[in-house]
Amino acid sequence: EVQLVESGGGLVQPGGSLRLSCSASGFTFSSYWMSWVRQAPGKGLEWVANIGKDGSAKVYVDSVKGRFTISRDNAKNSLFLLMNSLGAEDTAVYYCAKILDRHPYYHFDYWGQGTLVTVSS
Amino acid sequence: DIQMTQSPSSLSASVGGRVTITCQASQDISNYLNWYQQKPGKAPKVLIFDASNLETGVPSRFSGSGSGTYFTFTISSLQPEDIATYYCQHYDNLRWTFGQGTKVEI
Repeated sequence: EVQLVESGGGLVQPGGSLRLSCSASGFTFSSYWMSWVRQAPGKGLEWVANIGKDGSAKVYVDSVKGRFTISRDNAKNSLFLLMNSLGAEDTAVYYCAKILDRHPYYHFDYWGQGTLVTVSS
Repeated sequence: DIQMTQSPSSLSASVGGRVTITCQASQDISNYLNWYQQKPGKAPKVLIFDASNLETGVPSRFSGSGSGTYFTFTISSLQPEDIATYYCQHYDNLRWTFGQGTKVEI
């Protein structure tokens, strides 16, 4: 059974940093692209970042470029999101998601339960 | 950037009724379009991929159609358990764009 379990969320002050983790199981983690998707309270879904199978390819939404860094540790089946210079606009539930790659077709086939990040003084 | 316009933002229908949601792209996206369901407090779940393919295990009352710039998502017979927000999603070079969402109520 595929499982994605996020952790690391919490309350952080504006300008602060936070590192989210996603522990994956039930599939060959190193064989799949992974993503972070966020959802502000009461709002819609927003894709944040992708990372390639070996961690070399990374893509970000413009609003987090230069502030957020996605990474992975395939030996530990883990995905990470390092978030710096956090602002109120980053307050959201952050989901990790597995990408099913059937080039040129893709979709998110599994999601974690999410971890809440609150940026507030 | 390609913009996705989803409508309506909310709707109310009766149990057993037909629900249709539309998603319009600002330019031709072929069939690179997925549909997700998100129940309150839960993570999203894919229902339809590649515009019209039903995900394994998803009831057949859900369907999707369209290509190019105009897409529709249909629930043929609304059930109480279908109360959720539905999102279309496009991807381009692995950059993902979600529609604004449609909240479906009974």
